[in-house]
Amino acid sequence: QVQLVQSGAEVKRPGSSVNVSCKISGGTFTSHTMSWVRQAPGQGLEWMGRISPIIGIKHYAQKFQGRVTITADKSTSTAYMELTSLTSDDTAVYYCARSGFSSGYMDVWGTGTTVIVSS
Amino acid sequence: EIVLTQSPGTLSLSPGERITLSCRASQSVSNSYLAWYQQKPGQAPRLLIYSASYRATGIPDRFSGSGSGTDFTLTISSLEPEDFAVYYCQQYGRSPWTFGQGTKVEIK
Repeated sequence: QVQLVQSGAEVKRPGSSVNVSCKISGGTFTSHTMSWVRQAPGQGLEWMGRISPIIGIKHYAQKFQGRVTITADKSTSTAYMELTSLTSDDTAVYYCARSGFSSGYMDVWGTGTTVIVSS
Repeated sequence: EIVLTQSPGTLSLSPGERITLSCRASQSVSNSYLAWYQQKPGQAPRLLIYSASYRATGIPDRFSGSGSGTDFTLTISSLEPEDFAVYYCQQYGRSPWTFGQGTKVEIK
């Protein structure tokens, strides 16, 4: 059974950066696309961007351009999402999610990582 | 970007009822690349439907999806107690992928 295991909760200061990891187990990594989706408290889902590890292509939502970097380490089957210049508006649960290489529906979701930005 | 508008915002229903949720896109969704997810409190979303009408693995047949172009629907033929949750649509026909704001289905 495929699982996406994410790193633990983080508390960050405004202006700092956060790096969240997502490791896949029980399944393939390079033949899929990995996305990052966030959910602020009491709010809906917001797609941030994706990476196709096998070819290294990335797409980011314009809202996060310049602040988010998504990478993937094929040797460890781990995807990463770094978000910089944090503000309180970035307080959210961050999910990684897997989709097919040429499709965009997300069939496997990570456990979620809570990021709290507070001074 | 394609904006998805879901309606209604909240539905108050009883078990056994049939419900239809709407998802309207600001532009045509190519190839009907639209998915539906269910999310319960404290849990990650779960894929229900992809490509507008195909049930994901393990999803009961009381869930069905339909639509094309800009109008899509998710139908639950008979609500079970475990179906009370928030439902989101998502389009993946054009980048950036986008989600609707969600419809909450609550117990009446």
